Amino acid sequence: EIVMTQSPATLSVSPGERATLSCRASQSVSSNLAWYQQKPGQAPRLLIYGASTRATGIPARFSGSGSGTEFTLTITSLRSEDFAVYYCQQYNKWPPNTFGGGTKVEIK
Amino acid sequence: EVQLVESGGVVVQPGGSLRLSCAASGFIFDDYAMHWVRQVPGKGLEWVSLISSDGGSTYYVDSVKGRFTISRDNSKNSLYLQMNSLRAEDTALYYCAKAATVLGGYLEYWGQGTLVTVSS
Repeated sequence: EIVMTQSPATLSVSPGERATLSCRASQSVSSNLAWYQQKPGQAPRLLIYGASTRATGIPARFSGSGSGTEFTLTITSLRSEDFAVYYCQQYNKWPPNTFGGGTKVEIK
Repeated sequence: EVQLVESGGVVVQPGGSLRLSCAASGFIFDDYAMHWVRQVPGKGLEWVSLISSDGGSTYYVDSVKGRFTISRDNSKNSLYLQMNSLRAEDTALYYCAKAATVLGGYLEYWGQGTLVTVSS
């Protein structure tokens, strides 16, 4: 099973600043990596797939990078609606399709 | 617009059974695989199961193998999860999600979830 590790667990950021979230895979997942955003009381929403391709309707301030075992989600100029929990997920080798433990982006 | 609506979540006793349903609309259901994912309130996401577009291939996380069965009825645009021998640790919000391809991949759209509580 591929283990996905996200860091940090919590990230405190001021509105308008940049947030950088990390996701590491225990073995290579190529570019088969997705990012999801989950707000309180809501279902997760797909942000990024293929490590760097934004899903439909996702603003350009969200960007993904990386391949192999190291991935980054960057949110530039954070807005109030971006404060949420973010999960990475690998879909290169399954089952299982493993998720990271999540990073909570909170208001500083 | 893609819509996924889960139902069937209730309070059930340990050892009991339950069937979750997911009604899909807004896309060609039999062109895509479907996932079930669960989340203990306040915790992270756990992938549970996947079924291919034609229902011919199914996959499970180890913790539910032999107890849960995923299935689909393409004529009804519906996905199911039969849950048997339920345990307290199966308590969670269960989401169905549309996969990106016929075989699997990332989870493109999610339903709002249905809550399963296993408790005596």
